[in-house]
Amino acid sequence: DTGVSQDPRHKITKRGQNVTFRCDPISEHNRLYWYRQTLGQGPEFLTYFQNEAQLEKSRLLSDRFSAERPKGSFSTLEIQRTEQGDSAMYLCASSPGDSEAFFGQGTRLTVV
Amino acid sequence: AQSVAQPEDQVNVAEGNPLTVKCTYSVSGNPYLFWYVQYPNRGLQFLLKYITGDNLVKGSYGFEAEFNKSQTSFHLKKPSALVSDSALYFCAVRTYGNNRLAFGKGNQVVVIP
Repeated sequence: DTGVSQDPRHKITKRGQNVTFRCDPISEHNRLYWYRQTLGQGPEFLTYFQNEAQLEKSRLLSDRFSAERPKGSFSTLEIQRTEQGDSAMYLCASSPGDSEAFFGQGTRLTVV
Repeated sequence: AQSVAQPEDQVNVAEGNPLTVKCTYSVSGNPYLFWYVQYPNRGLQFLLKYITGDNLVKGSYGFEAEFNKSQTSFHLKKPSALVSDSALYFCAVRTYGNNRLAFGKGNQVVVIP
């Protein structure tokens, strides 16, 4: 499968714990995006990388959230001290330049 | 600011009938418009896009969309709906050089056999 891959698909964690999600974009896609989707809503932009550089962050990305793309390939999204309001589907997408984005299947986070 | 409105929460259509899912947008500048489809517990699948050129855009699975600048709309259409088209459909917009896609709330499409 050469699509965008996300791991894990599901994560249940206790409030206050840290979690980390991984995204492997389509190879040769230099742009990588993270979005968050809550029930009944469309995805909301979190952050954007071009190669290894994080060029844009949403105000939704509080200081408990950090994203990296160390070698311009895979990316990680970490949430520290999780809160119940962090429960959502976290979607990763990639694109080959200024073109349409291709999404992964997402990581569903449940904070209990 | 950029935004999308999808006015109907759910669209019900009989199998074989035409399907239309409505989308209106608001941006400063020329829009890049997209339609995505989401099946249960899955990510978003790209259907089609409008960047420039012909106002009628054809995409995957027999879907098409018409860009109307004066009405700031980008409605998704399919001449003959299939039961397998039942899913959640999202319209999204951005502008050139803007890396943030703004999504609508989505429309649940139910195709009745």
